Amino acid sequence: GENVEQHPSTLSVQEGDSAVIKCTYSDSASNYFPWYKQELGKRPQLIIDIRSNVGEKKDQRIAVTLNKTAKHFSLHITETQPEDSAVYFCAASKGGSYIPTFGRGTSLIVHP
Amino acid sequence: GAGVSQSPSNKVTEKGKDVELRCDPISGHTALYWYRQSLGQGLEFLIYFQGNSAPDKSGLPSDRFSAERTGESVSTLTIQRTQQEDSAVYLCASTQGYEQYFGPGTRLTVT
Repeated sequence: GENVEQHPSTLSVQEGDSAVIKCTYSDSASNYFPWYKQELGKRPQLIIDIRSNVGEKKDQRIAVTLNKTAKHFSLHITETQPEDSAVYFCAASKGGSYIPTFGRGTSLIVHP
Repeated sequence: GAGVSQSPSNKVTEKGKDVELRCDPISGHTALYWYRQSLGQGLEFLIYFQGNSAPDKSGLPSDRFSAERTGESVSTLTIQRTQQEDSAVYLCASTQGYEQYFGPGTRLTVT
């Protein structure tokens, strides 16, 4: 089955810095890669996703890159703000009818 | 429209008792997932329902866990003879297509 590794487990940055979280996956058939943000005590919410037919997707301060050859994808947050502090999860799946495999999460702390 | 809802939001139970957790998915969403999230941990897949197909139960940790779903509506997750290691947040998610929409979770504490 699919295996998703996520690094780092904890990331501490100063407000205004950039943050990068990386994930690798094992199943070359995976074609959908979402990122979820989970604030303390809240539900995970999708913040951005990418499908295997594109290499990069951007939405304001967040971007995701995908390297299918190397089987890794990354989340980039620029100009971080304290409200970006949360746990971020990556996932990989073969599509909507398949069970996604989640990474173990990255706790991002943005210091004001 | 209304999102995914779960009840109860919190449940404290004594070891050995049975509990039932409920999930109301977004109307029209054919797929429904249950996950378990222990404190500070990731999302552990439990069970997956897709339409009228047989559910994928491959993530259920023991035969004390079971789940049902009626058609494309409400799902219930039942844990029998609860143990302290069952303490966690139980999340459900529904999807139509690719994106998963999560409920707020039920925090289960087994004393």
